[in-house]
Amino acid sequence: KNEVEQSPQNLTAQEGEFITINCSYSVGISALHWLQQHPGGGIVSLFMLSSGKKKHGRLIATINIQEKHSSLHITASHPRDSAVYICAVRLWEYGNKLVFGAGTILRVKS
Amino acid sequence: DTGVSQDPRHKITKRGQNVTFRCDPISEHNRLYWYRQTLGQGPEFLTYFQNEAQLEKSRLLSDRFSAERPKGSFSTLEIQRTEQGDSAMYLCASSLYSGGGSRTGELFFGEGSRLTVL
Repeated sequence: KNEVEQSPQNLTAQEGEFITINCSYSVGISALHWLQQHPGGGIVSLFMLSSGKKKHGRLIATINIQEKHSSLHITASHPRDSAVYICAVRLWEYGNKLVFGAGTILRVKS
Repeated sequence: DTGVSQDPRHKITKRGQNVTFRCDPISEHNRLYWYRQTLGQGPEFLTYFQNEAQLEKSRLLSDRFSAERPKGSFSTLEIQRTEQGDSAMYLCASSLYSGGGSRTGELFFGEGSRLTVL
């Protein structure tokens, strides 16, 4: 079992829909990252969370430390949001090692 | 500073050859990470440096892999005697670490170096 599990693996949405991507982890963490990866490899850090909630534009990320769960929400989705969204956790036990989820492939259709 | 840069972006090589990738992090960042990503998978940790010191290496990193960061700035990842299973995207990231587990800053990734071993 992976230490970081994401769901769904694939998601297709219509433009304008509200989207939620979930991340569950089974280890003690010091922080959780949400990353966006576009085709061709480039990865961009969207959020780094250790508690609570953060918002940036149409993106909202929440984390529940007790439940070991985080969600990434996209409001009013747009085709340019189509990308792979990756959850990564920074482990307490192993310094600053990051463990990545397998990613969620999001496609937003116009 | 335009961010993390990696070179080359693409490398095609024959099995058994050696390859070297270079990563130039954001200039003030003291932490530098190497990850490997295969198609359909999330990145896997390979190794990381704080300044010039290599602090951790993954068990994935066989003795054919070596990484250096000689002056605490750019880093190189060398793969000797490449095998077809080494074909992957090799990603570099950097961050600013200011002490304490929760005080590692945002990660900034390069575009990656895609390796194809024939």
